[in-house]
Amino acid sequence: KAGVTQTPRYLIKTRGQQVTLSCSPISGHRSVSWYQQTPGQGLQFLFEYFSETQRNKGNFPGRFSGRQFSNSRSEMNVSTLELGDSALYLCASSFGQGVEAFFGQGTRLTVV
Amino acid sequence: GQQVMQIPQYQHVQEGEDFTTYCNSSTTLSNIQWYKQRPGGHPVFLIQLVKSGEVKKQKRLTFQFGEAKKNSSLHITATQTTDVGTYFCAVGVWGAGSYQLTFGKGTKLSVIP
Repeated sequence: KAGVTQTPRYLIKTRGQQVTLSCSPISGHRSVSWYQQTPGQGLQFLFEYFSETQRNKGNFPGRFSGRQFSNSRSEMNVSTLELGDSALYLCASSFGQGVEAFFGQGTRLTVV
Repeated sequence: GQQVMQIPQYQHVQEGEDFTTYCNSSTTLSNIQWYKQRPGGHPVFLIQLVKSGEVKKQKRLTFQFGEAKKNSSLHITATQTTDVGTYFCAVGVWGAGSYQLTFGKGTKLSVIP
């Protein structure tokens, strides 16, 4: 079956702009989580959605938001981009809680 | 929030040598997962440990969960260049109706041919 698909793979944005990233989970998976990965901080949890509801949110400012659609596809949005937002953004889907997570290839965001 | 310490941060080994990474928590864990991320790639699930003292093997990889369920280790026997990557442990934390997977900072393994 198809894996987790993230689009776009690469993105370059200017400070102050906003960006929307997309994630299509594995068919049948209703849980989608987002992570920010940077060399210094590792993998940091952003938020988790299940059946269109945000169930959990990490310690990120309100500029980071997300949503999930009825087909389980998810988007995350970052407004007023800062240089420090440059990172690899990873989406992971899973069948439920406490089971293995399947990661997409990520979106590499560069803010200049 | 849940903190998990992973050591070492980096490990350079000669091909054929063994490698071990450790994951430690100050609190009792419900379960622990291990992931591998190749350079330029994304994390890939390796295994999940649930039971106290559990030991699981995958070819040259041995995973252990401590008796107190506060620590875990991943041991690779006779490393190969294909083992290169960053190994992460991840712990699942249940809150009030929510679940969060928290990752350790990872151990970056380099294998010298």
